[in-house]
Amino acid sequence: TQLLEQSPQFLSIQEGENLTVYCNSSSVFSSLQWYRQEPGEGPVLLVTVVTGGEVKKLKRLTFQFGDARKDSSLHITAAQPGDTGLYLCAGETSGSRLTFGEGTQLTVNP
Amino acid sequence: GAVVSQHPSWVICKSGTSVKIECRSLDFQATTMFWYRQFPKQSLMLMATSNEGSKATYEQGVEKDKFLINHASLTLSTLTVTSAHPEDSSFYICSAREGRTGAFFTQYFGPGTRLLVL
Repeated sequence: TQLLEQSPQFLSIQEGENLTVYCNSSSVFSSLQWYRQEPGEGPVLLVTVVTGGEVKKLKRLTFQFGDARKDSSLHITAAQPGDTGLYLCAGETSGSRLTFGEGTQLTVNP
Repeated sequence: GAVVSQHPSWVICKSGTSVKIECRSLDFQATTMFWYRQFPKQSLMLMATSNEGSKATYEQGVEKDKFLINHASLTLSTLTVTSAHPEDSSFYICSAREGRTGAFFTQYFGPGTRLLVL
């Protein structure tokens, strides 16, 4: 079983602060996706990283894939209340199956 | 991006009845669809992989006779929860895999179906 450990599980910060969410595994993934999920809705894809060491930016969000393709991080700069939500990382394994991390519930207080 | 729909969005049923959930890829053909289950405050757990025209592949611990999956076309997969019980109450989410772009496939998720079994 390929496990993906995501941390922290809960994060409550003030508007304007920076934060980083981590996903770690002992397994190598062919790709890793980051999703954001609102209550009562399905996950929405934010980014897919494929190459070891790859860095992708999406406005105030920066995603990094570890050199060995076993870990990834999501950094949010100057968080806004609209960033509040459940952030999920998911590693792609054989047959395009996704293994999800436990999720990080982010709350940004105005 | 590609759109995946689910129907119904929520359902309440009595214990012992069967419930069917539909997952459709609206603007692309999906040879593979996935079914997930999510409990409150938890992450998504993969239940099964549904391949068009063949039997579904179930994850360990998921009863195939309890959760019947049919993938009859390239745009539709159904999940039937048979003889539902209160412990089957959960948020069921499907995803559909779009064609390969470079080195990876992209999965698009449906909006989910909330099932409450009384």
